[in-house]
Amino acid sequence: SQQGEEDPQALSIQEGENATMNCSYKTSINNLQWYRQNSGRGLVHLILIRSNEREKHSGRLRVTLDTSKKSSSLLITASRAADTASYFCATGSRMNSGYSTLTFGKGTMLLVSP
Amino acid sequence: KAGVTQTPRYLIKTRGQQVTLSCSPISGHRSVSWYQQTPGQGLQFLFEYFSETQRNKGNFPGRFSGRQFSNSRSEMNVSTLELGDSALYLCASSLASSGNPSYNEQFFGPGTRLTVL
Repeated sequence: SQQGEEDPQALSIQEGENATMNCSYKTSINNLQWYRQNSGRGLVHLILIRSNEREKHSGRLRVTLDTSKKSSSLLITASRAADTASYFCATGSRMNSGYSTLTFGKGTMLLVSP
Repeated sequence: KAGVTQTPRYLIKTRGQQVTLSCSPISGHRSVSWYQQTPGQGLQFLFEYFSETQRNKGNFPGRFSGRQFSNSRSEMNVSTLELGDSALYLCASSLASSGNPSYNEQFFGPGTRLTVL
């Protein structure tokens, strides 16, 4: 089952514009991670934000986390055609073993047109 | 450091056959997780191994199994293939030295595209 749900499912913008994707989750978390996937390939880790952090930056990426609302957002500034990909949020879900594992949302497909 | 490698990259099988996929993690990573990705269900967790022990298993039938070797390399096996098993199978490794893999960044391989005819 999906813990995180991204919104919107798809986003189409022009180069130079900003892209904002949102993620909502259901249970308490230790951290939330964002990944990018280019068509049919493996995922690439973008950023990890811990539950006691509210905002984190990495290059053109800005992630916010609101644990009271159980939501996170990923902002890509000054987007480029190379940013075209699917973006996933992932949260840790504790399983019966006592260990947690990452659960991914269904992702947001971002298309950046030149 | 070399990244996570998966072999084979593409595989075509017929219903009823079995298949074994291989994953070599990044050197030093002891945790290996497997995921199935389909257009309909998205990314679903299959299982996670740490130091040759399966620590977690997702909600998949017993036809899906895996193992991890002493060098941290991992294999997953699917027996009696069904059409619905067609998917991209992704392997990811992480340091997870003492805690849970979800506490750490996961490094993904390129995946194995399995097609069941």
